[in-house]
Amino acid sequence: DAKTTQPTSMDCAEGRAANLPCNHSTISGNEYVYWYRQIHSQGPQYIIHGLKNNETNEMASLIITEDRKSSTLILPHATLRDTAVYYCIVRNFGNEKLTFGTGTRLTIIP
Amino acid sequence: DVKVTQSSRYLVKRTGEKVFLECVQDMDHENMFWYRQDPGLGLRLIYFSYDVKMKEKGDIPEGYSVSREKKERFSLILESASTNQTSMYLCASTQPGGETQYFGPGTRLLVL
Repeated sequence: DAKTTQPTSMDCAEGRAANLPCNHSTISGNEYVYWYRQIHSQGPQYIIHGLKNNETNEMASLIITEDRKSSTLILPHATLRDTAVYYCIVRNFGNEKLTFGTGTRLTIIP
Repeated sequence: DVKVTQSSRYLVKRTGEKVFLECVQDMDHENMFWYRQDPGLGLRLIYFSYDVKMKEKGDIPEGYSVSREKKERFSLILESASTNQTSMYLCASTQPGGETQYFGPGTRLLVL
């Protein structure tokens, strides 16, 4: 699976959109981009995934660039409960394993 | 809702003890995983299982073994605990080809 690069930490004001970038320049054609988050003292939680089209669900939106070398997770109206470590993972859909990096620690500021 | 439960949230053991960490899922998932999480290193896969009595090594299997006698239960065993196995241990499950892994709350193990 391709490696990903994320900023170590980010802050966002409560109520604003949080935009979390991820670089995956070595992604191959059959690899999906997944996002998970981990709130303190809990297990990771799935957020969203996509292949090449932008995706949206009740939690977030995922924007994947046309060349698929990077993506952005958008939390449209961040709340204090969105404070967590966010992991961007690239996964071959036939591979059951997820390879977690160190993620981005997002802090929502009141 | 899928539920993945782990037998303990916190555990303190002594060096050399045999340690069992239990994980149970209630959604009839085929695949189950054990990770450990350490500061600065993220989550690392120890072992996974894609069926009863089947197992595969992950990235850091040394010092660990696993057991999957029933579909819903996946156990991680530390045969002789060492201080460098002090960590947060996370269990997860999913269906084959499933979109998401469901994680348990984690067990924080301290080996003295």
